[in-house]
Amino acid sequence: QSALTQPASVSGSPGQSITISCTGTSSDIGAYNYVSWFQQHPGEAPKLIMSDVSVRPSGVSNRFSGSSSGTTASLTISGLQAEDEADYYCASYTSFRTVVFGGGTKVTV
Amino acid sequence: EVQLVESGGGLVQPGESLRLSCVASGFTFTPYTINWVRQAPGKGLEWISYISGDYRRIFYSDSVKGRFTVSRDNAENSVYLQMDSLRVEDTAVYYCTRDMSYIKFEPWGQGTLVTVSS
Repeated sequence: QSALTQPASVSGSPGQSITISCTGTSSDIGAYNYVSWFQQHPGEAPKLIMSDVSVRPSGVSNRFSGSSSGTTASLTISGLQAEDEADYYCASYTSFRTVVFGGGTKVTV
Repeated sequence: EVQLVESGGGLVQPGESLRLSCVASGFTFTPYTINWVRQAPGKGLEWISYISGDYRRIFYSDSVKGRFTVSRDNAENSVYLQMDSLRVEDTAVYYCTRDMSYIKFEPWGQGTLVTVSS
């Protein structure tokens, strides 16, 4: 099972919007609406910020939104803030009943 | 407080074994699938295994299949990862995380570092 494909880095200025893509296959993103996104700050454990493609857990800012089309999922961060600077990972359930992560995207503000 | 705490990491030589533990607290443990995810130094997250609450569903990534074994003891609110035939490339921080449903992974433990080196 190959890792999902994410851009290595994305940058934006405070207040701007950015979008991180996550490309998979018909065996993972294309098969299920089970895509999650995780935010990880340096030295910390990952934190769930989106599940089921576009569902925000309680307490997560509504500046984060998710979508999916075909075999590509996307995470959009609007009104970019300094605290959003972190690594972001997508993950998908697969038809093999396993889980696959993306390679991660470093967001710079 | 809902919490997962990993332990058991350390420095081992290639070919040796190590057993990691993940102890849960603050929630009813039995219904939940627990996953193991690792992160090599400076690298991304890699899913490696999960075990369902009823012990029926156990899956591994290809990278650890045949070498790692996941188990759990619901009476002890614990999940274990037995790692055999360790390789240098297994060096990573190992996290356990609760799956609320289809990769709603929360919370995560603080991680335990496994270093495989001669």
